[in-house]
Amino acid sequence: EAAVTQSPRNKVAVTGGKVTLSCNQTNNHNNMYWYRQDTGHGLRLIHYSYGAGSTEKGDIPDGYKASRPSQENFSLILELATPSQTSVYFCASGTGGAREQYFGPGTRLTVL
Amino acid sequence: QQKVQQSPESLTVSEGAMASLNCTFSDGTSDNFRWYRQHSGKGLEMLVSIFSDGEKEEGRFTAHLNRASLHVSLHIREPQPSDSAVYLCAVLTGTGGYKVVFGSGTRLLVSP
Repeated sequence: EAAVTQSPRNKVAVTGGKVTLSCNQTNNHNNMYWYRQDTGHGLRLIHYSYGAGSTEKGDIPDGYKASRPSQENFSLILELATPSQTSVYFCASGTGGAREQYFGPGTRLTVL
Repeated sequence: QQKVQQSPESLTVSEGAMASLNCTFSDGTSDNFRWYRQHSGKGLEMLVSIFSDGEKEEGRFTAHLNRASLHVSLHIREPQPSDSAVYLCAVLTGTGGYKVVFGSGTRLLVSP
């Protein structure tokens, strides 16, 4: 089965600090996605990528940057973390048109 | 912008009884609708992916899509306590179908 891994699995950060969440996929999928999940909101798309070197804004990109240095890796960067960014973050990889999507196990981020 | 709403927010059924979950969306032009299951603290597991009006069965899980009514449902036959989880409806959207919009979820509890 397709494999998507995330690191770290849990992270506590301080307000104003920089946080980098990493995602790796071994499926050779072109598309990768970052979502956050909050109670009452389901999953919301932050950034996505069509392939190495590309990043696109999702529905809630403010306060986040993304980086896709290779086919396998997609990072989410919080330059100045705020308590409102406390959430569970999910990475996913998928085929063209998101016809198939495979999710990682999630990263729980707490910003104090 | 595609909006996805799920009902009920929570549902309790007895083991073996049929469980029915509902999802409405605002834009019927999407061509892919999915149901995911998420056990507490875990990632997303895709249950059913449906592309055309009608019914799609995957084991004990059956999705019914009616694009004209902007409605997709999930029926779980003979639910077990292990099916207790949050169920998420998702709709493929965006130019080229690269984005997936999620509902906020239905929490299902199956009592023995």
